[in-house]
Amino acid sequence: DGGITQSPKYLFRKEGQNVTLSCEQNLNHDAMYWYRQDPGQGLRLIYYSQIVNDFQKGDIAEGYSVSREKKESFPLTVTSAQKNPTAFYLCASRRTGVGYTFGSGTRLTVV
Amino acid sequence: AQSVSQHNHHVILSEAASLELGCNYSYGGTVNLFWYVQYPGQHLQLLLKYFSGDPLVKGIKGFEAEFIKSKFSFNLRKPSVQWSDTAEYFCASGGTGTASKLTFGTGTRLQVTL
Repeated sequence: DGGITQSPKYLFRKEGQNVTLSCEQNLNHDAMYWYRQDPGQGLRLIYYSQIVNDFQKGDIAEGYSVSREKKESFPLTVTSAQKNPTAFYLCASRRTGVGYTFGSGTRLTVV
Repeated sequence: AQSVSQHNHHVILSEAASLELGCNYSYGGTVNLFWYVQYPGQHLQLLLKYFSGDPLVKGIKGFEAEFIKSKFSFNLRKPSVQWSDTAEYFCASGGTGTASKLTFGTGTRLQVTL
């Protein structure tokens, strides 16, 4: 079955460390997205990519970085510059005219 | 820039009551509209979507939404809620082009009491 895989489901890191969240899709979708979910704030867009080797900043890109070296993969790095990294992170992909598919998310806790 | 407003942050209803959750969007072009649901401890699920055609959209679990272009609204409705509908509901809008992205509202927490 096609879908999006986010790993790990739970992630703990010490303050000041960079951490990379994985997102892989086998849907052959061109576009991929990273969202951050916080209570009472809905989902906010961090970064998105329409094609391989190209990506754009979303609404809250500061302190994050991404890469898109393969169509199937869109990893997100939460850097030490992100002031409040503890959150639930959702990855999504999209095919034009079809809609969006979401992964099951990664809950990051920084201690 | 796109934006989505959900006016009800927390709604409490008794079982069998009717539900209407408000959603307004701002977008200058042709828009795709979505309602997602997130049950406690679970991931985001698509309830329904509007791309074009009939403005009254039927979704899963008895939900429907009406696209009213003149009001920039896409309200979610259900005639009779169940306790199992307790969840957080998100409205979202996106453009139709290849460079489009999805913009979410802040969500409405629905609590259904027995």
